Amino acid sequence: DGGITQSPKYLFRKEGQNVTLSCEQNLNHDAMYWYRQDPGQGLRLIYYSQIVNDFQKGDIAEGYSVSREKKESFPLTVTSAQKNPTAFYLCASSIDTLRDTQYFGPGTRLTVL
Amino acid sequence: GNSVTQMEGPVTLSEEAFLTINCTYTATGYPSLFWYVQYPGEGLQLLLKATKADDKGSNKGFEATYRKETTSFHLEKGSVQVSDSAVYFCALSDYVQGAQKLVFGQGTRLTINP
Repeated sequence: DGGITQSPKYLFRKEGQNVTLSCEQNLNHDAMYWYRQDPGQGLRLIYYSQIVNDFQKGDIAEGYSVSREKKESFPLTVTSAQKNPTAFYLCASSIDTLRDTQYFGPGTRLTVL
Repeated sequence: GNSVTQMEGPVTLSEEAFLTINCTYTATGYPSLFWYVQYPGEGLQLLLKATKADDKGSNKGFEATYRKETTSFHLEKGSVQVSDSAVYFCALSDYVQGAQKLVFGQGTRLTINP
């Protein structure tokens, strides 16, 4: 089955630690995205990547970093510079960034202790 | 910039009731419009989409019509079920810096009671 996987489902982190969230897709999509979801709010775009070895900042990139070394993988690192990292993180992909339909993974819930 | 406004929730209905969740948008140009659904603890699933004015998207008994004159994309279902309980997000596509991005509304939580 084609789809997007995110791991882990739940993640706990101590203040001051960096943590990396995994996102993998086997849909052969060129474009991938990371969103943050807070309670009662819509999704906000953190970073997106149109193609391997390329990525751009979204609306709330501060305190986050990404890499895109392989087409199927787009990991997100939440750094200690992110002031309020507790949130639900969603990864998505689309065929390319000219096609507007995005498909989402199941999400990772990050809690800072 | 482009934006989406949804009716505030939560919305609570009885099974077999008629559902409307309002969505209006502000946009330059002619974006595609989407409804996504999120079940508890899960990611978002595409429910339906419409790409131009007067288009009707439909799926699983849900419908929404792209109304350019009222800049709206209201979600409707004639008879809801308990399994429809979820959070519903309206979104539009926004073409910025050579890429399509999605702009989301804040979501509307729907609870259906048996």
